[in-house]
Amino acid sequence: EPEVTQTPSHQVTQMGQEVILRCVPISNHLYFYWYRQILGQKVEFLVSFYNNEISEKSEIFDDQFSVERPDGSNFTLKIRSTKLEDSAMYFCASRFPGQGGLEPQHFGDGTRLSIL
Amino acid sequence: SQQGEEDPQALSIQEGENATMNCSYKTSINNLQWYRQNSGRGLVHLILIRSNEREKHSGRLRVTLDTSKKSSSLLITASRAADTASYFCASDPPGTYKYIFGTGTRLKVLA
Repeated sequence: EPEVTQTPSHQVTQMGQEVILRCVPISNHLYFYWYRQILGQKVEFLVSFYNNEISEKSEIFDDQFSVERPDGSNFTLKIRSTKLEDSAMYFCASRFPGQGGLEPQHFGDGTRLSIL
Repeated sequence: SQQGEEDPQALSIQEGENATMNCSYKTSINNLQWYRQNSGRGLVHLILIRSNEREKHSGRLRVTLDTSKKSSSLLITASRAADTASYFCASDPPGTYKYIFGTGTRLKVLA
């Protein structure tokens, strides 16, 4: 069964450094998402992306964050200047463009981001 | 409760027993989904229930939805040790492009 893949599985970065998290969504999916989960807390929506533009973003997704689909297969999340509070598990998800949004989002296994 | 919120926050049962988890949400929804998360892993989609459905079954899973109460429940029958995981509901408000996840129920099934 096709799946969403994320790399790296664990990223350790110094505070203030830029980090890029990579995702390969399922090939026929057209909607893409990033979520994050701080340890022990709930999964929080960051951003959704469709047709090469952001559809919706949360208040967490400030100017330090950006997303890109550089080559038609990868979907990346960039954090320009990381803060300690960016430490979390970041999940990518993709969804097939079914009728009425009734297709589920499929999630990758996540990238654990640790900011030192 | 979360938007959504789940209760209980943690549940410990013996293998073979049934596990029931509840979720409440605050806005109207297109649909509601349940996901499972094993420790340190991603979210695995379990079941989707549409806003116009009241009950849905998939194998040992039974989901109910009460839109008048803005609540849903997930029942796992004849639980197994492999069902040990966290379970999250996720609501899909109309006019948005996001899921809103609950705080989750940590289920432990003892062999």
